[in-house]
Amino acid sequence: QVTLKESGPGILQPSQTLSLTCTLSGFSLSTYGMGVGWIRQPSGKGLEWLANIWWYDDEYYNPSLKNRLTISKDTSSNQAFLKITNVDAADTATYYCARLRRVSHYFDYWGQGVMVTVSS
Amino acid sequence: DVQMTQSPYNLAASPGESVSINCKASKSISKYLAWYQQKPGKANKLLIYDGSTLQSGIPSRFSGSRSGTDFTLTIRSLEPEDFGLYYCQQHNEYPFTFGSGTKLEIK
Repeated sequence: QVTLKESGPGILQPSQTLSLTCTLSGFSLSTYGMGVGWIRQPSGKGLEWLANIWWYDDEYYNPSLKNRLTISKDTSSNQAFLKITNVDAADTATYYCARLRRVSHYFDYWGQGVMVTVSS
Repeated sequence: DVQMTQSPYNLAASPGESVSINCKASKSISKYLAWYQQKPGKANKLLIYDGSTLQSGIPSRFSGSRSGTDFTLTIRSLEPEDFGLYYCQQHNEYPFTFGSGTKLEIK
C-alpha cells in the first residue's frame, strides 16, 4: 500500500527557512522510475506545483520560486524533503507531497498535507 | 508556463444527474492532462490521466475526453460521495500547472 505523510513545523516566523519532510511507504525513491513532488495550496485557493525529485537525483523546480527551493531525498530512511528559504506570509499554505512515476508526470498518490503558517 | 483555465468555478447538481467540468490549456499539451478530486481530510485522488485513462479503482461513471486543447471531465449518475473539489493538471511539461478548481455541490 502506497502512502505518503508530510510533516513540518506548523508555524514559523518571516525570513526563516521552512523545512518539510515526506515519509514514504509502499515504494522507494531508490527504485527506477519513482519520483516525489511537492505541491502547496493556500487556504481557499488552488494548487501550485513546487518541485520534483527523481530516483536518480534529478531535480526540477517551479521557476517562480526556484531560488528559494531545495528538494532532496534520503533513500535509507525513505524520505523526501523540501526547504523554502526566507518565508513570508505568502508561503502560508497546506503543503502536499505526492508520488510520480517516470512513465508520466501525474501524481498518483498524495499525502494528506501539512498546514504551515508564517506569522510574526 | 501553460495556463489552465478551468470552468465552471461552482457547480450544483443532484444525485443521479450528470455533470461536466472543463479545462482549456493555453497551448498544446498533447493528451497529458490529469483530473483530481479533493475532499476535506482525505488525500487528493487521481481520477483520470493522459486525458482519458481511468485510474485503477476509479468508478467508470468518471470519464475524460479531449478536443485539441480543451479537456472535459464528465461524471455520470452522480453519487453522494462525488461532491467536492475537482482540479485539472497538465503533465506535459514543466512547470506543471493546475486549473483553478471546480466545487461540485449538492443541489
